[in-house]
Amino acid sequence: GQNIDQPTEMTATEGAIVQINCTYQTSGFNGLFWYQQHAGEAPTFLSYNVLDGLEEKGRFSSFLSRSKGYSYLLLKELQMKDSASYLCAVLDSNYQLIWGAGTKLIIKP
Amino acid sequence: GAVVSQHPSWVICKSGTSVKIECRSLDFQATTMFWYRQFPKQSLMLMATSNEGSKATYEQGVEKDKFLINHASLTLSTLTVTSAHPEDSSFYICSARPGQEFYEQYFGPGTRLTVT
Repeated sequence: GQNIDQPTEMTATEGAIVQINCTYQTSGFNGLFWYQQHAGEAPTFLSYNVLDGLEEKGRFSSFLSRSKGYSYLLLKELQMKDSASYLCAVLDSNYQLIWGAGTKLIIKP
Repeated sequence: GAVVSQHPSWVICKSGTSVKIECRSLDFQATTMFWYRQFPKQSLMLMATSNEGSKATYEQGVEKDKFLINHASLTLSTLTVTSAHPEDSSFYICSARPGQEFYEQYFGPGTRLTVT
């Protein structure tokens, strides 16, 4: 079966750095997405990785290792507004998005 | 950027009635649209995939006669929840793919459905 694992909840301090991990086992791989979702709102796109390595985009970076079936989202200089759920999703061989359950990130002052 | 709208943003209906939710791509043509459902504290669950002019493909366990999907044009897809029951109360989100770039997918703001 297809499976995506990420921690259920994480807590971090404002101004700090947090890394949210995602491991996946899917039938085929056509890229991995990270989305941010605030409560009661639709997901918003953060990043897309299809090749190994680190992609940096401002305070957010995303890393992918296809051989390990592993990705992480790195958030720097955390702000209170970063409190949200972060969803990892993989595009499988049928170009269908397989979603993780999401990681709820709580930022404390 | 690509914008997807949904209407209504929230709706309350009585058990047994039907509700229609619209999903529109405002500034691009969507060859494919997706409908998701999300229960509280859970991730998105894909309900169905629809391509303009053809029948929707439903995921396993999703009743196609209960959740009617129509993708009549390249900018509009509708989801009708027929004979709604309280267990259908959920957050319904659509997304749209503009072309053959499979990594592109833009989400609507979601529709909160409450069935009383």
